[in-house]
Amino acid sequence: GAGVSQTPSNKVTEKGKYVELRCDPISGHTALYWYRQSLGQGPEFLIYFQGTGAADDSGLPNDRFFAVRPEGSVSTLKIQRTERGDSAVYLCASSLTWGPGGNEQYFGPGTRLTVT
Amino acid sequence: AQSVAQPEDQVNVAEGNPLTVKCTYSVSGNPYLFWYVQYPNRGLQFLLKYITGDNLVKGSYGFEAEFNKSQTSFHLKKPSALVSDSALYFCAVRDFGRGSTLGRLYFGRGTQLTVWP
Repeated sequence: GAGVSQTPSNKVTEKGKYVELRCDPISGHTALYWYRQSLGQGPEFLIYFQGTGAADDSGLPNDRFFAVRPEGSVSTLKIQRTERGDSAVYLCASSLTWGPGGNEQYFGPGTRLTVT
Repeated sequence: AQSVAQPEDQVNVAEGNPLTVKCTYSVSGNPYLFWYVQYPNRGLQFLLKYITGDNLVKGSYGFEAEFNKSQTSFHLKKPSALVSDSALYFCAVRDFGRGSTLGRLYFGRGTQLTVWP
């Protein structure tokens, strides 16, 4: 079946601009996660959703970052007033359930964001 | 606080030799442990996980990992390496506990594995 898809695959924007990154999870996966991966680092957690609601947004670095998942499927990560430090690969993942379980997360290919 | 350490940035091994990629973790409760592999310009692919039970876990592509509670380690192993195993490997942990941090994974910095012919 189809895996997690993310669009665009690459995004170049100027400092101060607004960007939206989209994630389409695996069908039927109720949990959706966003991570950010900087060069030479492991992925860092940003936010995750159970259904439509953000169950944990404590990883968002500041209020310029926001994410939504209005219908419990596709999610959009929104970044306002982008800064050069926001340049990274943004990864989306989904899993069957959340909570105290060992359900593995399946990752998309990522969106490479470059802020010039 | 939860954390994962991968002490080696790089591991080099000859094809056909056994390989080990090291991982140690720190959690406040019982750990759920995962290994992922990342090929260039591709997303992370799940390899295997430890939840409970047998300390030796078998996963995809012939990989296995050994959970050692006393040493808080979860090393990735393969008896005979292939050139195609060359990639970036990440260890991750989830804390089995209460609170809103249940969903997130904590990743190590990654270990670049190179298998030479």
